[in-house]
This record gives sequence, structure tokens and C-alpha cells, in this order.
Amino acid sequence: NAGVTQTPKFRILKIGQSMTLQCTQDMNHNYMYWYRQDPGMGLKLIYYSVGAGITDKGEVPNGYNVSRSTTEDFPLRLELAAPSQTSVYFCASTSGTDAFHEQFFGPGTRLTVL
Amino acid sequence: AQSVTQLDSQVPVFEEAPVELRCNYSSSVSVYLFWYVQYPNQGLQLLLKYLSGSTLVKGINGFEAEFNKSQTSFHLRKPSVHISDTAEYFCAVSEDTGGFKTIFGAGTRLFVKA
Repeated sequence: NAGVTQTPKFRILKIGQSMTLQCTQDMNHNYMYWYRQDPGMGLKLIYYSVGAGITDKGEVPNGYNVSRSTTEDFPLRLELAAPSQTSVYFCASTSGTDAFHEQFFGPGTRLTVL
Repeated sequence: AQSVTQLDSQVPVFEEAPVELRCNYSSSVSVYLFWYVQYPNQGLQLLLKYLSGSTLVKGINGFEAEFNKSQTSFHLRKPSVHISDTAEYFCAVSEDTGGFKTIFGAGTRLFVKA
């Protein structure tokens, strides 16, 4: 199993551009998450999904959108990129079939908005 | 609402010395507790978790943590650290309420010096 994969690894955007961060998991997990990590701030939840077709906002959803058309994929869309969105983005998943909540993380996407 | 506080943002320590990384949480319900480790330029990976039972939990790479319900703490310890333990460590908590959201602390950067 590849686990959770994310593309791209790095990206530089200009202010106002848009992009999609891709996330795929091959563990048949129901629950998927997008976090952003800023220095000294830990991880903040952007959006999450409890299954295909179901998504919900986390702590910091403004400026982002998600979709979940399949169990495997959970892309994160940035519209009108702003410097405040410079961060490292992590996708994670968990099975949801028990209450143990251990999450499996992808390697991250480092995004810079200039 | 649940929250997690990691009391030290950085912990420098010499190789082969013991280390303790402190974590306190708040919640009004039963919780599951986790420590994750993030090596440079990688995603987070699970170090250990407390679900129930024995309050002393052993994890990978010689780490252990003790759950103290009265003090709402879950401190991470290792009796003798190696250079390779240099990483960022995150304490995390999930509530046992059927939801599947995890709250992460801000992280503690462990720096092991030769």
C-alpha cells in the first residue's frame, strides 16, 4: 500500500492564481482531512470528509474548497491565492470503523504565495 | 471544547540524556491521546497512543508516555535520546463522542546535540 499520497510536493503561486492540491489514499478509509501547518501553530483543520459526497468545514475553511467524489480522492482547491495561504498542507485519513482515531498522513505540499 | 497545550516549544538536550516533553489537555468527556512525530520534510507518523487500560504506554523508538487523568496530562519520555530523535513532536487528543476530529498541540521541537 502507498498509504496517503499528495501532489505536488512544492508549488509557488502568484497572488490571485488558483490551484488544486491532490490527495489520494489506498486504505479504503472513510474519513479524510486537510490540515495546514504554520510555524509554531501546530496543525489547523481546513476541511474534512466522512465519506464520498460528504464534506464539512474545519477551523480555517475560508479561501478553500473541497470535494469528495470517491472514497480514494479528496482534492483541496485554492481560489484566488493570497500570501496568508503560504503554508505546508497535509492530507490525512482514518478508517472511521473504530473510535481509535489514529490518522495516517501524506508527505505534505509546501505552498508559497507571492 | 477540547484543547491541547504543549508546554515547551523547543527542548534542546544532549545525546544519551533523558528527555520529557510535556502535554496537557482539557476535555469534558473521555478522550483518546496520541503522540505523533514529524521528521524534517515529512508528514506526521504515530509514535504511541492511549486508548484505555494501563496508564503507561510504550511506543516506537523507545518512547513512552504516561496518562494522568487527575492532572489531565500525557507527557512523553525517553530515558536516553539519540541524534536521530531530532524532530517535532505533536500531542493530540480525540474525544470519545463518536466524532472523528483530532485536536493537535502546537508542537515541541526536540533538538538532540552531540
